[in-house]
Amino acid sequence: DTAVSQTPKYLVTQMGNDKSIKCEQNLGHDTMYWYKQDSKKFLKIMFSYNNKELIINETVPNRFSPKSPDKAHLNLHINSLELGDSAVYFCASSPTRMETQYFGPGTRLLVL
Amino acid sequence: AQSVTQLGSHVSVSEGALVLLRCNYSSSVPPYLFWYVQYPNQGLQLLLKYTSAATLVKGINGFEAEFKKSETSFHLTKPSAHMSDAAEYFCAVSPRDYGQNFVFGPGTRLSVLP
Repeated sequence: DTAVSQTPKYLVTQMGNDKSIKCEQNLGHDTMYWYKQDSKKFLKIMFSYNNKELIINETVPNRFSPKSPDKAHLNLHINSLELGDSAVYFCASSPTRMETQYFGPGTRLLVL
Repeated sequence: AQSVTQLGSHVSVSEGALVLLRCNYSSSVPPYLFWYVQYPNQGLQLLLKYTSAATLVKGINGFEAEFKKSETSFHLTKPSAHMSDAAEYFCAVSPRDYGQNFVFGPGTRLSVLP
């Protein structure tokens, strides 16, 4: 049983397109996150949701929009993709904001 | 604001040698601290965590870390490196009040030489 799953695993697309990445956790956690990992492995938090409510929204372009239909799902929609959006995007979840985070396998996005 | 620094973006050790990965933090209140490992093309997984109980914390795969408040450090060690330990290692600090975020360090890539 995969605890935190993401789809798709790989995403190759053209500049200007719109794409979505889905995340689901079956751990019963209240908090979910999206992170961006660049080519130097630096991990930057983008968003955090607690029980479907947005609690962290770091400085990311408003082309990125998270959506949480229920507390087990946190999807990431990206409009008008740019070359600089190429990265690995990780979803994670935790019981509360202070506790251990459990990561998904990542979605490798390449914008051409 | 909380922050985490990891000295050395890349550490190389020989198989069987001691592994020491350094982590220092800054936090206005006693933090919760974590070490995560990321194997190639995978997500991060928890190695160990400190949550204000014992200062010496044992984790998976023979790793341990010691919380030293006076040095604001949480260095990760393993007595004898194995080839399978080659990975990226991240230190992280957890928020202790509502206004702060979980913060990851920049990571240290560990290479293990035969």
